[in-house]
Amino acid sequence: GAVVSQHPSWVICKSGTSVKIECRSLDFQATTMFWYRQFPKQSLMLMATSNEGSKATYEQGVEKDKFLINHASLTLSTLTVTSAHPEDSSFYICSASSPGADYGYTFGSGTRLTVV
Amino acid sequence: AQSVTQLGSHVSVSEGALVLLRCNYSSSVPPYLFWYVQYPNQGLQLLLKYTSAATLVKGINGFEAEFKKSETSFHLTKPSAHMSDAAEYFCAVSDSVGNEKLTFGTGTRLTIIP
Repeated sequence: GAVVSQHPSWVICKSGTSVKIECRSLDFQATTMFWYRQFPKQSLMLMATSNEGSKATYEQGVEKDKFLINHASLTLSTLTVTSAHPEDSSFYICSASSPGADYGYTFGSGTRLTVV
Repeated sequence: AQSVTQLGSHVSVSEGALVLLRCNYSSSVPPYLFWYVQYPNQGLQLLLKYTSAATLVKGINGFEAEFKKSETSFHLTKPSAHMSDAAEYFCAVSDSVGNEKLTFGTGTRLTIIP
């Protein structure tokens, strides 16, 4: 079945530094990837949608200069949290999809980001 | 705009009892509906999905859901709860499969009582 690998699974960084999270589709080509943020005991909130080779589309209220998304290939998308602050601490989850694929959307295992 | 409402943020059932998690949707087009399960500190795993084929959808781990257009519902059921079913469950809606974003409900935490 479709597998999406997300790394790292957890990361602790100092305030003001940048953190990169990778999301890879292992056995299929993901034309579209989605990045979600989840606060404790809450639902997933879509941050942005990225299509391979084009700029990401950000949801209202998400700072595109702070959350940089790159989707340079059909199997890799990255989310970089720039100049991280404690309020950016959260659980970030990626999802990959491919048109016509029976599996629809496949989620990564998530990244727990803690900014200290 | 599409939306889903999950009634009951917490549901507790005894082991062996029926599990019923409720989801109602709102969509201006024929919806695609999904149920996902999330274990602590993990991503989401697809339980089942409705994509306009059979209205009764069977998924993994003994779960099933029935699409009822007249009630705009897509409730998740399992005849007999198991301790391993304890998790967070999310209902989601999309207007297509593949490229359109999912809109999630607020989730239901399922607790199994031994």
